Amino acid sequence: AAGVIQSPRHLIKEKRETATLKCYPIPRHDTVYWYQQGPGQDPQFLISFYEKMQSDKGSIPDRFSAQQFSDYHSELNMSSLELGDSALYFCASSLEMGHEQFFGPGTRLTVL
Amino acid sequence: AQKVTQAQTEISVVEKEDVTLDCVYETRDTTYYLFWYKQPPSGELVFLIRRNSFDEQNEISGRYSWNFQKSTSSFNFTITASQVVDSAVYFCALSALPGSILTGGGNKLTFGTGTQLKVEL
Repeated sequence: AAGVIQSPRHLIKEKRETATLKCYPIPRHDTVYWYQQGPGQDPQFLISFYEKMQSDKGSIPDRFSAQQFSDYHSELNMSSLELGDSALYFCASSLEMGHEQFFGPGTRLTVL
Repeated sequence: AQKVTQAQTEISVVEKEDVTLDCVYETRDTTYYLFWYKQPPSGELVFLIRRNSFDEQNEISGRYSWNFQKSTSSFNFTITASQVVDSAVYFCALSALPGSILTGGGNKLTFGTGTQLKVEL
């Protein structure tokens, strides 16, 4: 069965650079969520989209922005990267809000 | 606010032992969902179960079973006859139903801090 696809899987950036993470949800899923998991921590919700509209917002820094496109894929844009942004970024998708969220393999971002 | 507590930071067992992972939650919603996810060393998050708050039946799936007790706000997870491949971090999570006024309308997952399970030979 098709799963959530995230690209790239690994990303290394310097401080103050920008990064774009991409997420391709499971076919027919219309809801996308982004989570950030720091080393040894639990995943923290950043932002979600339902039918291309932002549905909820968590502790996402102002330096980050995200959107969901007409084909339902989503991109997380991160600017002015800081050392503390180094983390595993997960995208999850669900068939409508309220259904179980299936996670992608994550993008490991390292900021040097 | 929603909160999930997993008091057990790390558990070590010997293969074939049974092990129970505890999860206690707090929410002001009257209806909600509870989840368990597994995160093996490779890093991905694997969905294990979703439970509706109005369904208090316990569930068994192979060696896995879940005990949901609304009266004590607990959703514990038991692995019977543990195996080395069960070694992972296990997260309990909570979400409101979509449209919940208390959580702003979304159904984001609030995770506990996770329990590291180590199963040794």
